[in-house]
Amino acid sequence: GENVEQHPSTLSVQEGDSAVIKCTYSDSASNYFPWYKQELGKGPQLIIDIRSNVGEKKDQRIAVTLNKTAKHFSLHITETQPEDSAVYFCAASFRDYKLSFGAGTTVTVRA
Amino acid sequence: DTAVSQTPKYLVTQMGNDKSIKCEQNLGHDTMYWYKQDSKKFLKIMFSYNNKELIINETVPNRFSPKSPDKAHLNLHINSLELGDSAVYFCASSQALAVITDTQYFGPGTRLTVL
Repeated sequence: GENVEQHPSTLSVQEGDSAVIKCTYSDSASNYFPWYKQELGKGPQLIIDIRSNVGEKKDQRIAVTLNKTAKHFSLHITETQPEDSAVYFCAASFRDYKLSFGAGTTVTVRA
Repeated sequence: DTAVSQTPKYLVTQMGNDKSIKCEQNLGHDTMYWYKQDSKKFLKIMFSYNNKELIINETVPNRFSPKSPDKAHLNLHINSLELGDSAVYFCASSQALAVITDTQYFGPGTRLTVL
């Protein structure tokens, strides 16, 4: 199947703390896992992605980990800032021709 | 300059009407997509086109008809609008066909409200 489950649906963190979002996928053939950030009134924007031959990837305050055996991947945001407040979507490739998205996580960073 | 643009940004219409949403990308990409985001923010692909050719049609009702006059444009025409069509529709583009790892660039969205 092409299901991607994402948790939690909402996440409130204090500025400076870390935020973690977790996703699981069902298609064992999935090999590409992007994360998108959607700010209010805008379209989703890619923030980081990981391929199945890599276990972890980091870009400044953002990191993604992938466990292919367990079919789950996670987004980690460290030292959160108010501008990190947005809806975050995980996605997984399905049969190499489309992306299946998770339901989204609304992240609120409290000042 | 906006990479992926959509018009209109908001569209309010009566049930049964026919409407169109336009999308243009100036990135030189070969592949364009339409996504639907429902009220719970769930994103689901509807169509994808590569260089004017339909590649994906995700069991979308026949009332929805995408049209690609050239590879920089992918318009979405909706006939006989229903209440359940109310959603935000996103256009997106990526560099190449069947390279799912190419970054997809999304437009700002069109919020369609059917009364």
